[in-house]
Amino acid sequence: KNEVEQSPQNLTAQEGEFITINCSYSVGISALHWLQQHPGGGIVSLFMLSSGKKKHGRLIATINIQEKHSSLHITASHPRDSAVYICAPLGTYKYIFGTGTRLKVLA
Amino acid sequence: GAVVSQHPSWVICKSGTSVKIECRSLDFQATTMFWYRQFPKQSLMLMATSNEGSKATYEQGVEKDKFLINHASLTLSTLTVTSAHPEDSSFYICSASVEGGQETQYFGPGTRLLVL
Repeated sequence: KNEVEQSPQNLTAQEGEFITINCSYSVGISALHWLQQHPGGGIVSLFMLSSGKKKHGRLIATINIQEKHSSLHITASHPRDSAVYICAPLGTYKYIFGTGTRLKVLA
Repeated sequence: GAVVSQHPSWVICKSGTSVKIECRSLDFQATTMFWYRQFPKQSLMLMATSNEGSKATYEQGVEKDKFLINHASLTLSTLTVTSAHPEDSSFYICSASVEGGQETQYFGPGTRLLVL
């Protein structure tokens, strides 16, 4: 079993839809990073959180440390949100990266 | 925000040659830089952690003699893939940390390497 599981692995949505990406992990962590990787490969850090909830624009990230689960929500999705979203819990001394959720938002 | 650049963005080379990839922090001093490798449709894998002025710490299974890392200044780290082989073809990404910890990392745009 992988230490980090993301679901769904692939997601196609219509523009405007509310999107949720889930991340479950099995290791103890001190923080969790949500990253966005565009088709060209470049990675952008979206959130780093260790408890509760954070919001930035149309993006919301939540984490429940006890349940070892985090979610990334995108409200009013747009085609430019199409990318791979990667969950990366920070373990004992390094990040553990999920394989990502490939999101495609159709106009 | 903090910007990290990589050069080159892509490189094609012949088997047996060496390739150097640069990672620069453009507007901040990075005490620690991290090198990752990503194969198609797989997650990022940490290769090594480099601290300015000291030897890099390599992850298990990563050959330190094959992947030479130099972090000579607070704004530049280099990864040299020596005697590259087709199986080294991958996407190499660096990130930089300001405080020296892993928590706040700024990622570079990546370098795509193709070894023929």
